[in-house]
Amino acid sequence: QVQLQESGPGLVKPSQTLSLTCTVSGGAMSSSGYFWSWIRQYPGKGLEWIGYIHHSGSTYYNPSLKSRIAVSVDTSKNQFSLNVSSVTAADTAVYYCARDQGGSGAMDVWGRGTTVTVSS
Amino acid sequence: SSELTQDPAVSAALGQTVRITCRGDSLRSYYANWFQQKPGQAPLLVVYGKNIRPSGIPDRFSGSSSGNTASLTITGAQAEDEADYYCNSRDRYQVFFGGGTKLTVL
Repeated sequence: QVQLQESGPGLVKPSQTLSLTCTVSGGAMSSSGYFWSWIRQYPGKGLEWIGYIHHSGSTYYNPSLKSRIAVSVDTSKNQFSLNVSSVTAADTAVYYCARDQGGSGAMDVWGRGTTVTVSS
Repeated sequence: SSELTQDPAVSAALGQTVRITCRGDSLRSYYANWFQQKPGQAPLLVVYGKNIRPSGIPDRFSGSSSGNTASLTITGAQAEDEADYYCNSRDRYQVFFGGGTKLTVL
């Protein structure tokens, strides 16, 4: 059974880069057909798709965030990562990683989420 | 357009059938997926694609679509179905979520 676990700092200073890693266990990321996603949720609010990556390295990003985000994959470690640059308080959210079936948006396995606060 | 519109809230009596809708231009070309989220938990995929339920999801959850509108139907709502429900879909380049519907089971 595939499981995902987010890790990274819970507090980031404004203007710095937020870096998170998602570790995949119970299955190989290189399994065909899956994309590996990042999603965030503002306090008390809805979900925002950040972007996803295929194990081949192909990436797709939310156009509103594209200039500040980068998603990368390390299949040897069964991990994928998110960098968000030049963060502000508006980037404070719960960040989730998830497995997406074929890039369709059908995210069938989710991590528990990690809270990131941007504050000096 | 990358927008999906959901009603903010809906309520249903215990055992009643409830329909949650999601509207958007992308739904004319792509399927909607539906997620249930309870407080403090990650979202859970309940219906995806052409009315497919992941393993373990009760068969009272079903999905349908017509034109620019997708629907999640819960046939015989249970107390444990009280949650926020989100639809999402995609276009050629991105995935996007609806704003969510809060379901109250009375």
